[in-house]
Amino acid sequence: ELKVEQNPLFLSMQEGKNYTIYCNYSTTSDRLYWYRQDPGKSLESLFVLLSNGAVKQEGRLMASLDTKARLSTLHITAAVHDLSATYFCAVVPSGYSTLTFGKGTMLLVSP
Amino acid sequence: EAGVAQSPRYKIIEKRQSVAFWCNPISGHATLYWYQQILGQGPKLLIQFQNNGVVDDSQLPKDRFSAERLKGVDSTLKIQPAKLEDSAVYLCASSLGSYLSGYGYTFGSGTRLTVV
Repeated sequence: ELKVEQNPLFLSMQEGKNYTIYCNYSTTSDRLYWYRQDPGKSLESLFVLLSNGAVKQEGRLMASLDTKARLSTLHITAAVHDLSATYFCAVVPSGYSTLTFGKGTMLLVSP
Repeated sequence: EAGVAQSPRYKIIEKRQSVAFWCNPISGHATLYWYQQILGQGPKLLIQFQNNGVVDDSQLPKDRFSAERLKGVDSTLKIQPAKLEDSAVYLCASSLGSYLSGYGYTFGSGTRLTVV
C-alpha cells in the first residue's frame, strides 16, 4: 500500500522567511503533484513533477523531485501572508492513474 | 474551459437517511474520480471510472456507498444509510490522463456533507 508522508503537518512562519515542506512516498512513482487548498475551497493545482530531478517554480514556490530518494520538496521563499493555506502532495504510483494524497501541511504566515 | 461541476454545495442530513451527489466532469475527460476528504485530512479515493466502467472501487464502502456514471459523462455518488462518520467533503475530479494535457487532474468545488 502506497504511503505518502508530509512534514511538517503544521507550519507557522513569519513573513520574509524561507522554509521547506517535505513529501516522502513509499513506492515507485511516475508523477508527483502539489496542490494548494484554501479553507472551504477545493484543490488548486500548483505543480506536476514528471521525472527525476524535475524542478518547477512559480513565484515564491519551488518544487523539486528526487525519485531515487522518493522525496519531493516544496520550498517557500520570502513568505507572504497570501501563501497561508494547506499544501498537499499527491503521488501517482507507477502503472496506475489515481492520486494518493499526504495529510497536508497547514501553512500560516504572519507579519 | 468549464470546470468540474458538483452539486449540491452543502447538505445536512440525519443519520440513517440517504443522500446523493452529482458531478459533471470537464468535457472530453474520460476518467472521473470521487474522493472523500474528512476535516483535517487529505482526500481519499473512493472510486475511479474510465468512461462508464469502474477501474478502482477498492476503498468504497459498498455496504452503504454506490456510484454510477451513465453514458460515460455525469456521475452520481449515493450514501444509504448515512453514518455520522460520513461527514466530509466529497470531491469529484476528472482527467484526460495524457502527456498532452500535462497529466492534470481538475477538482470540483466539492459537496460538504454533515450527518447529524
